[in-house]
This record gives sequence, structure tokens and C-alpha cells, in this order.
Amino acid sequence: DQQVKQNSPSLSVQEGRISILNCDYTNSMFDYFLWYKKYPAEGPTFLISISSIKDKNEDGRFTVFLNKSAKHLSLHIVPSQPGDSAVYFCAAPLGVSNYKLTFGKGTLLTVNP
Amino acid sequence: NAGVTQTPKFRILKIGQSMTLQCTQDMNHNYMYWYRQDPGMGLKLIYYSVGAGITDKGEVPNGYNVSRSTTEDFPLRLELAAPSQTSVYFCASSPQGAGRRDTQYFGPGTRLTVL
Repeated sequence: DQQVKQNSPSLSVQEGRISILNCDYTNSMFDYFLWYKKYPAEGPTFLISISSIKDKNEDGRFTVFLNKSAKHLSLHIVPSQPGDSAVYFCAAPLGVSNYKLTFGKGTLLTVNP
Repeated sequence: NAGVTQTPKFRILKIGQSMTLQCTQDMNHNYMYWYRQDPGMGLKLIYYSVGAGITDKGEVPNGYNVSRSTTEDFPLRLELAAPSQTSVYFCASSPQGAGRRDTQYFGPGTRLTVL
């Protein structure tokens, strides 16, 4: 059973505009979330995380928002750049540590020049 | 630092054959992991290790075995390969694990096809 869901398999945006990637979760015990970015033929790389004690975390062009009541988080990329084109995975740890991550299926973001 | 390295990059196996996927990290991380990613799916944890000599099952361990004799190496063994094991395999490591929110560092992956 998928505990972290990314319902949009793909998203296409114009360079310079905002990209919004969404993630829903079912387990109310999750207290930490991570976003990973993956280019073709490479392993995923960590992008940004958020703890459930916050509702927003920002790192440069990337901001993650958490809405605990809706069990929803989103990743905003502003402004989007062609180099942001990749698959983005939402993930959450199954427990107090980080080592049993459960991943969503990913969203392929394409940023068009 | 090379980070996490995996060999081979690609491999084709026949049904019933066996092989070992190699993973090495040079960051002195205690925790190491093996994931598989099937097309259109997220990553699924196969096995993980919290230190040399200690391993445990993840979500999808059937058909696989692991060992961890050193901090650096975490090989994944496939016995009696089946078409259902066709996937991309990622190895990852993280510094500490328990009680901390450390990110995981991934290798480039091994693409395995079983025919």
C-alpha cells in the first residue's frame, strides 16, 4: 500500500515560471519528509527536507510546504530552469530514524526553454 | 571522494543464473541500503545494514541476500534470477541513521535484465 503518493506522473512548465510538485501521504505518524531529484542514468540526490514542526522550508529556488491537516506537501521551484528537468521523488521515513524510507512513484518535471 | 560506487552498470542474466551487485562507499558511513526501482514506480528498500556484520530486511527482500563484512562494502546477491528481478538497483549510504535525520547518498545504479 502506497503511503506516499505522487499522483501526477509528469509536469511541463516554461522556463522562468513556477513549478509545483505535489505529494500526499496517508500515515499521520510521518514527521519528516524529503524530496529527492533524479536525472536519467544517475542515482537520486537529496534536494530538501521538512520536519513536521514546520510548515515551510526554503533553500534558494526550492521551497517545500507542509499541510499536516491535509496530509499534503508540495515542492515549489521558482524560477524554473531547464536544468531542473528531472524526476522528483517525495519520501518519508518509516520510523524515528531515516533508514527505512518509503518513496512516492515520482513526477517527471520538464522545463521548456 | 568517489561517494557511492556500483558495479556493473548494466547486466543481462538468464533465468536461474546468479550474480552479485557490488557497492562501495568511501565516506565512512555506518548505514547502507539496497533499493530497486521498477519502471514507473518509486524506490523499494530491499535490505539495509546499520554497520559491519549487521543486516536486516526491507520491504522486498525475497530472492536476495546481503552481507556486510566491512564498513565500505555492501554486496547484493541474486540467487536463481527471475524475470521479476528485472529492475534498476540503487545502493545508498548515510552517516549515522538512528536518532538522526541524515540524508542518503545514492550510487548511479545497476540496470539488470533477466531473460
